[in-house]
Order: sequence, then C-alpha cells, then structure tokens
Amino acid sequence: GESVGLHLPTLSVQEGDNSIINCAYSNSASDYFIWYKQESGKGPQFIIDIRSNMDKRQGQRVTVLLNKTVKHLSLQIAATQPGDSAVYFCAEIAQGAQKLVFGQGTRLTINP
Amino acid sequence: DAEITQSPRHKITETGRQVTLACHQTWNHNNMFWYRQDLGHGLRLIHYSYGVHDTNKGEVSDGYSVSRSNTEDLPLTLESAASSQTSVYFCASSRGSSEQYFGPGTRLTVT
Repeated sequence: GESVGLHLPTLSVQEGDNSIINCAYSNSASDYFIWYKQESGKGPQFIIDIRSNMDKRQGQRVTVLLNKTVKHLSLQIAATQPGDSAVYFCAEIAQGAQKLVFGQGTRLTINP
Repeated sequence: DAEITQSPRHKITETGRQVTLACHQTWNHNNMFWYRQDLGHGLRLIHYSYGVHDTNKGEVSDGYSVSRSNTEDLPLTLESAASSQTSVYFCASSRGSSEQYFGPGTRLTVT
C-alpha cells in the first residue's frame, strides 16, 4: 500500500554544519511532495515543496531533492542553526488526490 | 491575516463523555482535515472534508465524527471518549492538491 517513511528517526548535527534528512516513498503515482517542520508544542509548518516534474528546488537555506528512480526525497538545510531543532516530516500527495500521506518524522537536534 | 485556529488548546475529560474539538479557518479553503498525533505514529488522518456537507473517513475514524455545515468550520466529536483517544489533535486546511496549513493543536487527555 501507500507509505512514506524515513531512513533515520533522529539526526544530530553541529551548529553551522549542513543537515540532510532523507525520506523514501513507495507510491510511484505520487506527484507532489512537501516537507514540514514541527517545533515542540506547535503544529507542522510548511517548509518547501516539489512537484514530480522537478528534481531539485531551493528555498532560503533549504533544498529539496527528488529522485523518482529510487523514490527518494531529501531535505538539505544549510548552516544549521539552533532554531532548526524540530521534527521534520515528509509528505506526499498522489496524482489526482487531495490527501497527504505523512512519514513518521525525523528529529533534528543541534549541538552547540 | 488568514489563519486556522483550534479550541480548546487543552482538554481533560472522563471516559464515556462526549467531547467536541473546534477548528476554524479563515483561508476560505475547501479542504479540511483532522489528524491525531501520538508518539511513534506521526500524523494519522481521522476525518476530512472537501467542501460543505462533504465528510470522509480517514485511517483512524472509529469513535470520531465530523460535520461540515459551512466552509470555515470542521468540528471533531468524540462520541464516547476512551483512554485510547488521549492524544494531540491537529486540524488542517488546504486549497485543492496543495500544501496543508495546520492549526496549533489540541491536547486531549481522557481519564
């Protein structure tokens, strides 16, 4: 069935380093992918999205890469800051659908 | 500014009681969703609506109901609260097949 999962449940990085959070998906019909950030005690916040007709999209300090061949999605955060500490979720929407399928989440912690 | 709000933010209730969680959005989005979030399970979809008078069951709908009488609101009702329904509940809205905007969440404890 459809599923979206994450390779690692936790990730710890040094402040100032780059972070890479990975996500695997199984539904080849998915054509829209989103990364959300959830800080403690808050709802998920949209970070960046990508359509299946793209393989890379950049935002402010974040980049999402999509590899449709191996059904892999990654979120890269440049120069990680303490404010980046959160749980990051990937989510997908299948073509023609309007519901998101969420992965389990990766907790990113920043070491000073 | 448009927003999505949830109330109450915290609720403690007893087993067997009926509980209603409110969700209100001013984005004028057609789509609204209810999720629960438990440790180790991420976000799980309870119910969703694609428009007024439309409701659909998600993956964990047992024990919950929703109604959509207008565009702005999608209240979630627990007919007879159970301890297994202790969780954090998030409401979200979206326009079509686009990103969802989430509310701040309601922490529900069933004793």
